[in-house]
Amino acid sequence: EPEVTQTPSHQVTQMGQEVILRCVPISNHLYFYWYRQILGQKVEFLVSFYNNEISEKSEIFDDQFSVERPDGSNFTLKIRSTKLEDSAMYFCASKLDLNEQFFGPGTRLTVL
Amino acid sequence: GNSVTQMEGPVTLSEEAFLTINCTYTATGYPSLFWYVQYPGEGLQLLLKATKADDKGSNKGFEATYRKETTSFHLEKGSVQVSDSAVYFCALRASNTGNQFYFGTGTSLTVIP
Repeated sequence: EPEVTQTPSHQVTQMGQEVILRCVPISNHLYFYWYRQILGQKVEFLVSFYNNEISEKSEIFDDQFSVERPDGSNFTLKIRSTKLEDSAMYFCASKLDLNEQFFGPGTRLTVL
Repeated sequence: GNSVTQMEGPVTLSEEAFLTINCTYTATGYPSLFWYVQYPGEGLQLLLKATKADDKGSNKGFEATYRKETTSFHLEKGSVQVSDSAVYFCALRASNTGNQFYFGTGTSLTVIP
């Protein structure tokens, strides 16, 4: 069964460093998403992406964040200069149309 | 605004016990409601959903009924198993905000033999 994959499973970085979280959505899906979950808190929407552009973004998704679909299969989330409060679980999701979103297993980001 | 409030955990039950995890929501318009489950080390998986008032979603013995009058979507299962141990998330997709999902904080369930 097709699934969304994410790499790495755990990323540790120093404050101020750039990180890129990678996702491979299900191959025929058209809509792509990033969510994050700070430990003990809600899963929060960050951004949605369709037709090679951002379609929605939340207040959390500020200038430090960017997304890209560089090659038609990967969907990446870049954080330019990480802060301690960026430590969280980051989930990628994709969907084909109006149906459910399929989520990846998540990448745990730890900022030291 | 749109938000989801769900029962705090953790919840610990014996095998074959009855499970209820409460979920209430606030939304403008006519949201669709979902329960997602996250097993240890895995991603979020859709458990069940309901797209309009009075709909009942069901899967793997779990049920939830979309109650507009009480703005609730409580998750129930009559007899839990050890394999049901996971974190359960209630979520809504609002009709007025495109594709964005709003999640609750999650409720951790541990079922002991």
